[in-house]
Amino acid sequence: KAGVTQTPRYLIKTRGQQVTLSCSPISGHRSVSWYQQTPGQGLQFLFEYFSETQRNKGNFPGRFSGRQFSNSRSEMNVSTLELGDSALYLCASSLAEGPYEQYFGPGTRLTVT
Amino acid sequence: GENVEQHPSTLSVQEGDSAVIKCTYSDSASNYFPWYKQELGKGPQLIIDIRSNVGEKKDQRIAVTLNKTAKHFSLHITETQPEDSAVYFCAASRRSNDYKLSFGAGTTVTVRA
Repeated sequence: KAGVTQTPRYLIKTRGQQVTLSCSPISGHRSVSWYQQTPGQGLQFLFEYFSETQRNKGNFPGRFSGRQFSNSRSEMNVSTLELGDSALYLCASSLAEGPYEQYFGPGTRLTVT
Repeated sequence: GENVEQHPSTLSVQEGDSAVIKCTYSDSASNYFPWYKQELGKGPQLIIDIRSNVGEKKDQRIAVTLNKTAKHFSLHITETQPEDSAVYFCAASRRSNDYKLSFGAGTTVTVRA
């Protein structure tokens, strides 16, 4: 069974721009969660989507948003990029809603210059 | 919110020896405790998890113990091998509408041949 895939793997953007990241979950998984990983703050939860609805949200500003499609694929959008948004963005999928048995993708490395 | 502390931050062991990583959590309502292994250039990989109704769980060379009274849990790796070298993260979450995985800062494990 194919794992979680994320595109693109690497991205360079300029301050003030916006970016959209994509995540395809494991087949049959209906929940997708997004995380930000930085050396300073570690792994931080952004939000979770299940059945096309945002179920839970971490402590990030409104510039960070997401959505989920009927095939469970998810996108994450960051608007008005700041230098501090440079990070590895990870998505994780699981069969059901909640924190259980999440399987992570390889991540998208975003660099903001 | 939940605060997870992880120790040590780095751990170097001789091949064949055991490695132990300890985590403490602050939210007494937390009841799900997974451990993830992250290799360079990859996303975190779920290696074992434990729920609050179980005190210990073992999977081959990996075991996790949970002490709910003291609010700490530990990862034990026996007979370490070079391929065990990676960054290990503990995490904790409650099972409620406000669930979200909170991660420890990570332990870099190096297995010396």
